Amino acid sequence: EAGVTQFPSHSVIEKGQTVTLRCDPISGHDNLYWYRRVMGKEIKFLLHFVKESKQDESGMPNNRFLAERTGGTYSTLKVQPAELEDSGVYFCASSPTGGRPYNEQFFGPGTRLTVL
Amino acid sequence: GNSVTQMEGPVTLSEEAFLTINCTYTATGYPSLFWYVQYPGEGLQLLLKATKADDKGSNKGFEATYRKETTSFHLEKGSVQVSDSAVYFCALFKAAGNKLTFGGGTRVLVKP
Repeated sequence: EAGVTQFPSHSVIEKGQTVTLRCDPISGHDNLYWYRRVMGKEIKFLLHFVKESKQDESGMPNNRFLAERTGGTYSTLKVQPAELEDSGVYFCASSPTGGRPYNEQFFGPGTRLTVL
Repeated sequence: GNSVTQMEGPVTLSEEAFLTINCTYTATGYPSLFWYVQYPGEGLQLLLKATKADDKGSNKGFEATYRKETTSFHLEKGSVQVSDSAVYFCALFKAAGNKLTFGGGTRVLVKP
């Protein structure tokens, strides 16, 4: 079974440009999460999809970030326009539904974003 | 809100040394606790978990015990190998929030 995949693995862009990150979750996983690690600090939650719906987007830093999950399959995270402080590693994770007290979240390898 | 604090690295050890990475948390109720590991060039992998007080999670020679009284979940391994070189993240999960809260990560380097 394929794991969570993310594309691209690395992205280097200039300040003010737009970048779109993609995540393909494990097939059948309704839950999809975005996290990011900035400047070697803690990994922080950005948002959570259940199928195509945004369940929780409390971690999105500002309106320059837009996440979508078309048809409840893959998800994209667009940053427009990118700022220097957006540099970091963006992780995607997916999990199934129904387990208690916790459904394991399976993580992708991350996308390293560098804004110059 | 919920938070996780873990010791800063890097931690440099010789092969076969004993490893401890301290982790404490702040949360109401009874969160589930985890250690994730990120090997060079790879994604985060779940290393071990504990879902209630006094549970001990173990995997690949690593252990951690959920201590409610000290709000801690310290990671230990008795004899590390070069292949254990990685970044280790302590994390908690509360069902109400349905998201993981991570510590800052601890880089471990094991030298032969």
